[in-house]
Amino acid sequence: EAQVTQNPRYLITVTGKKLTVTCSQNMNHEYMSWYRQDPGLGLRQIYYSMNVEVTDKGDVPEGYKVSRKEKRNFPLILESPSPNQTSLYFCASSFDTNTEAFFGQGTRLTVV
Amino acid sequence: AQSVTQLGSHVSVSEGALVLLRCNYSSSVPPYLFWYVQYPNQGLQLLLKYTSAATLVKGINGFEAEFKKSETSFHLTKPSAHMSDAAEYFCAVRNAGGTSYGKLTFGQGTILTVHP
Repeated sequence: EAQVTQNPRYLITVTGKKLTVTCSQNMNHEYMSWYRQDPGLGLRQIYYSMNVEVTDKGDVPEGYKVSRKEKRNFPLILESPSPNQTSLYFCASSFDTNTEAFFGQGTRLTVV
Repeated sequence: AQSVTQLGSHVSVSEGALVLLRCNYSSSVPPYLFWYVQYPNQGLQLLLKYTSAATLVKGINGFEAEFKKSETSFHLTKPSAHMSDAAEYFCAVRNAGGTSYGKLTFGQGTILTVHP
């Protein structure tokens, strides 16, 4: 089954404790991205990747890092989480930059 | 920069009534347009997409949308609402060129409530 898998689905952590949210897709897609969803703001892009070892900032990259060492994986790293990063996070992938995006189930992160 | 505006953060309809969710976009180049639906505690699922073919696009679950270039609109409609349509709906535009090529820009979302 074609899918984008995120882990964990739910995470509560403390301020400053590094964490990683994993994302994996099995569709051989080149384009992957991370979004955060906040009430009344829709989804905003954090980072995206056009291909292996090619990443770039989206609209709200501050406080986040990503890497793309393999085509299927695109982890999101929070080196020092802060409470304003409490949000619902989605990973998405698409075959290229013109086709529809497939989304993971989301990761609800709470930073206390 | 591209932007997407969804008019109405909440829309409430009766079961069987017409559903109309509005979306306007700004784009300097011909866009790719999408509607996604999000059910509670789930990810986003594609409803339909416009990619410069027919201006009236049919999607899943009886939804359709019409691309109107002159109005820069891509409104989502369904003739008869069903209780299972209750969800949050997002309109999105994808850059077809220029900077941030391929980026999806989302509207703020519209929560659809269907009452008996």
